[in-house]
Amino acid sequence: GENVEQHPSTLSVQEGDSAVIKCTYSDSASNYFPWYKQELGKRPQLIIDIRSNVGEKKDQRIAVTLNKTAKHFSLHITETQPEDSAVYFCAPSLYGNKLVFGAGTILRVKS
Amino acid sequence: GAVVSQHPSRVICKSGTSVKIECRSLDFQATTMFWYRQFPKKSLMLMATSNEGSKATYEQGVEKDKFLINHASLTLSTLTVTSAHPEDSSFYICSAPPGGRVYGYTFGSGTRLTVV
Repeated sequence: GENVEQHPSTLSVQEGDSAVIKCTYSDSASNYFPWYKQELGKRPQLIIDIRSNVGEKKDQRIAVTLNKTAKHFSLHITETQPEDSAVYFCAPSLYGNKLVFGAGTILRVKS
Repeated sequence: GAVVSQHPSRVICKSGTSVKIECRSLDFQATTMFWYRQFPKKSLMLMATSNEGSKATYEQGVEKDKFLINHASLTLSTLTVTSAHPEDSSFYICSAPPGGRVYGYTFGSGTRLTVV
């Protein structure tokens, strides 16, 4: 099955700085690479995703880059704001199959 | 967009009792539903996959007799925690996979179960 590692486990940045979270996976069949943001007691919220035929995708301050050869993908948040503080999960999968979540990264944006 | 309605959002029950959690797809048909459990400050762990019209598939280590999953129709999947114990206290959340016109995974709002 899929083995997912996510780093770092916690990340503190100053408001306005950039944050990068990396996710490494093992199953070469995975073709869907989402990032979720979860606030305390809430459901995970999809913030960006990428399919395996694309190397990078950007949506305003958020971007995801994929290296299928090395089996890792990363979340990039620029110009961080206090409201970006949350737990972030990667969840690579074969699209339509179960999501396998990483351990999560606690992002703290200090103002 | 697609919506999965999950109820109850919070429940407190006594040890030894059973609790049923429902997930309904409101504007689409969900032939499959994934059920996750999340302990405080931990990740979401898949417990089982329910499929309409067939038996659920449980992940290794999940007791099928304790966590009863039923996919009664194309819009309803339920998880029943039987003979609940304090260690079953957790956040339970369902998720429907993409399909048809639905892109991406649709999550319920979650159920906070506390067993006292």
